[in-house]
Amino acid sequence: QVQLQQWGAGLLKPSETLSLTCALYGGSFSGYYWSWIRQPPGKGLEWIGEVNHRGTANYNPSLKSRVTISIDTSKQFSLKLRSVIAADTAVYYCARLNLVATTTADSWGQGTLVTVSS
Amino acid sequence: DIQLTQSPSFLSASVGDRVTITCRASQDIRSFLAWYQQIPGKAPTLLIFAASTLQSGVPSRFSGSGSGTEFTLTISSLQPEDFATYYCQQVEAYPRTFGGGTKVEI
Repeated sequence: QVQLQQWGAGLLKPSETLSLTCALYGGSFSGYYWSWIRQPPGKGLEWIGEVNHRGTANYNPSLKSRVTISIDTSKQFSLKLRSVIAADTAVYYCARLNLVATTTADSWGQGTLVTVSS
Repeated sequence: DIQLTQSPSFLSASVGDRVTITCRASQDIRSFLAWYQQIPGKAPTLLIFAASTLQSGVPSRFSGSGSGTEFTLTISSLQPEDFATYYCQQVEAYPRTFGGGTKVEI
């Protein structure tokens, strides 16, 4: 059974760097794309970006200057968001994108609440 | 960016009701649309991809239709576990975008 387990710091000060890691258990890493999506408290979903199995990434233009998504190992990928501000406060989810399912997110991590506050 | 507009944003219904949610895209996205369900405090789960293909394990009371710019998600007979928020997402173009969500409450 595919499981995504994510972790990282939950409380940051403005201007710091958000860093989250997502690990895959019980499935193959190759042949899928890998994504980060966030959800501010009480609001909707926002696509941050994704990385394919070759390490090529696509980012939301609204975050592109501050974000990096990369594959770390054969079973882990990560998100870095630099110079965070209060508006970056959100639950961050990692997700697997299934190419057969037109690159939709068929498996999600448990979510990590990241709060940016001075 | 492709804008997705969901309607209604809030829906009050009863167990057994037939429920329809609409998602309109600001430009043609062919059939590159997905639907997700999110229960409060949980990660979203994929219900439908390619506008009308049911994800494995999803009950058959869920169905999707549409192409181009107008799409619908239908729940044929609402069950207690279906009270949640539903989001559409387009995967035709980057950046991927989501609709604003439809909250289905009792």
